[in-house]
Amino acid sequence: DIQMTQSPSSLSASVGDRVTMTCRASQGISNYLAWFQQKPGKPPKSLIYAVSTLQSGVPSKFSGSRSGTDFTLTISSLQPEDFATYYCQQYSSYPITFGGGTKVEMK
Amino acid sequence: QLQLQESGPRLVKPSETLSLTCTVSGGSISSRSYFWGWIRQPPGKGLEWIASIHYSGTTYDNPPLKSRVTISVDTSKNQFSLKLNSVTAADTAVYYCARREAGRPIDHWGQGTLVTVSS
Repeated sequence: DIQMTQSPSSLSASVGDRVTMTCRASQGISNYLAWFQQKPGKPPKSLIYAVSTLQSGVPSKFSGSRSGTDFTLTISSLQPEDFATYYCQQYSSYPITFGGGTKVEMK
Repeated sequence: QLQLQESGPRLVKPSETLSLTCTVSGGSISSRSYFWGWIRQPPGKGLEWIASIHYSGTTYDNPPLKSRVTISVDTSKNQFSLKLNSVTAADTAVYYCARREAGRPIDHWGQGTLVTVSS
């Protein structure tokens, strides 16, 4: 199975901050990497797929990148609605696996 | 607009079988391009993929759960279902049904249903 390791597990930031979080795959997954945002009591919302392609309707403040088996999600200017937990997911092969999540909290 | 809705008992006794159904509306479950699956999330924890199925009957299971999981599809009702047997308290979670397109990640989720395993 492919393990996805997210870091940090949580971070504190202020409105307007640039925020980055990382997801590392235990083996190559090509570009089969997605990011989801989840708020309490809600299902995850798809933000990005194929490393850097924004889902329809997702604002351009979200961006994704890849360096080898390390993947990064960046929020360029954090807004109040962005405080949430973010998960990465690899869909290169079964079993599909998720990272443990990064919780973005208000400083 | 595609919608997925989970249904089933919210309380299951230990050692019994958890059964959930996902009803798909606004689209056909028989589309060749899509896979339908289940993901769960224990309270306060992360996401775990359980299993997926194609309308043709092809299934994919998560190895740690494989021996206890049955996933099936009913194209006549536009539904797919999950059965998880021999449940314990560790199976208490919000269970989501979801859709993904071949070669793409999940793009639609149900609202989720909390299933509690308790006597």
